[in-house]
Amino acid sequence: QSVLTQPPSASGTPGQRVTISCSGSDSNIGSNNVNWYHHFPGTAPKLLIYRNNQRPSGVPDRFSGSKSGTSASLAISGLQSEDEADYYCAAWDESLNGPVFGGGTKLTVL
Amino acid sequence: QVQLVQSGAEVKKPGASVKVSCKASGYIFTSYYIYWVRQAPGQGLEWMGILNPSVGNTIYAQKFQGRVTLTRDTSTSTVYMELTSLRSEDTAVYYCARGSGSGLPDGWGQGTLVTVSS
Repeated sequence: QSVLTQPPSASGTPGQRVTISCSGSDSNIGSNNVNWYHHFPGTAPKLLIYRNNQRPSGVPDRFSGSKSGTSASLAISGLQSEDEADYYCAAWDESLNGPVFGGGTKLTVL
Repeated sequence: QVQLVQSGAEVKKPGASVKVSCKASGYIFTSYYIYWVRQAPGQGLEWMGILNPSVGNTIYAQKFQGRVTLTRDTSTSTVYMELTSLRSEDTAVYYCARGSGSGLPDGWGQGTLVTVSS
């Protein structure tokens, strides 16, 4: 059971906008920044969003992040087939004194 | 660019130990923490521990206290994760990751599959 809660799956058609949620608590999302990663099975996870809404260089602006209270969201606009992957949120947890992750959301592009 | 290259897949029997390596390049090794995170089949990501390569001190997740040991070799920019008393539930892909200033990973290794089976 993951500390951060994500929907197990999400889907959309090419060109659509999809949103993935990540719910936590005061000890993690409520008091710290959120990162998002995408993960293609068999490869290294890759940083997609850091500090709630910042994109590393090379990440398209189709990807955006937001945070409010103890929840965060990742939005992907102009959905493309290559976006099909697993997406994870993460935040530092003050109680556990370490990073915590969501269970992951499998995005399917129909 | 940041690269973390891990050692290859391992198959171990219950009760045995495994030691996975993670070689860093593309940045100053002693300037960033290294995290170990695992993913069991069908499960999410689970943090195991953190190592400060500069001084070698560590923090371990409570779940793994007493079973996991993180060490480093600064001469080769390599971090090691040893997990002892393996059981079937330890079958997972183990990742090393570089920690950023926010305390979260910003670069990951390719993962090492550890299979525990009799």
